[in-house]
Amino acid sequence: LAKTTQPISMDSYEGQEVNITCSHNNIATNDYITWYQQFPSQGPRFIIQGYKTKVTNEVASLFIPADRKSSTLSLPRVSLSDTAVYYCLVDYYNQGGKLIFGQGTELSVKP
Amino acid sequence: IAGITQAPTSQILAAGRRMTLRCTQDMRHNAMYWYRQDLGLGLRLIHYSNTAGTTGKGEVPDGYSVSRANTDDFPLTLASAVPSQTSVYFCASRRTGRSEAFFGQGTRLTVV
Repeated sequence: LAKTTQPISMDSYEGQEVNITCSHNNIATNDYITWYQQFPSQGPRFIIQGYKTKVTNEVASLFIPADRKSSTLSLPRVSLSDTAVYYCLVDYYNQGGKLIFGQGTELSVKP
Repeated sequence: IAGITQAPTSQILAAGRRMTLRCTQDMRHNAMYWYRQDLGLGLRLIHYSNTAGTTGKGEVPDGYSVSRANTDDFPLTLASAVPSQTSVYFCASRRTGRSEAFFGQGTRLTVV
C-alpha cells in the first residue's frame, strides 16, 4: 500500500500562500490523491482531489507532477480560520477501497 | 437533514463492559468506515465496509467488531472495553471509491 509522508507542522501568517507537500512514492496507476481538512473536535472534510497536473476549486489548488510521486496542496491567502490539520491520502482504489489517513500536517496561521 | 449521524456523542464506560457505537447515514452510500483518533494523532482505520453484507479489517481492528446488515447502518462494537480504547471515534461514508467521504461528528469514549 502506498504510504504518504507530509510535514508534521507548519506555521504561516494571515494573507500568505501556504503550500503543503506530500510524498507518495509507491502510488499505483489507478490511485487518486485526496486532501482533507480537520478542525478541532470535528470530523475531516474533503478539500480537493486529483489524478495528475493541476486541479483548482474555490478552496485550494492541487499540483501533481508527472511522476505522481508527490503532490502539493496550495492554500491562497490563508486566514486564521484555515488553522487546521491537513491530510494527504492516496485512495487505494485497487485495494478494496480502504481510506487510510496519515499523520497529517498541523497548520497554524498567525495574525 | 441528510448526513451521517453517530451516537452517543460521548460515553464513559467501565473497563470490561460491552459497548456499541452507532453510525447511520441516509445518503445511500455504499462504503462506510470507522476510525479512532487519539490525542495529537491522525485517524487510524479500524474497520470498513465497501457494501452491505461485507466488512474488512483496517489498520487497528483488534478489540473491535463491526456488522453491515444494511446500507444505512454500520455499528462498531467493543466486546470488552479496555482503557487503551479511550479515544474519539469517527464514522464516515462515501458513495464509491475515490469519491468524497463524509464524516460524523464523532463519539468521545472514555474507558475507566
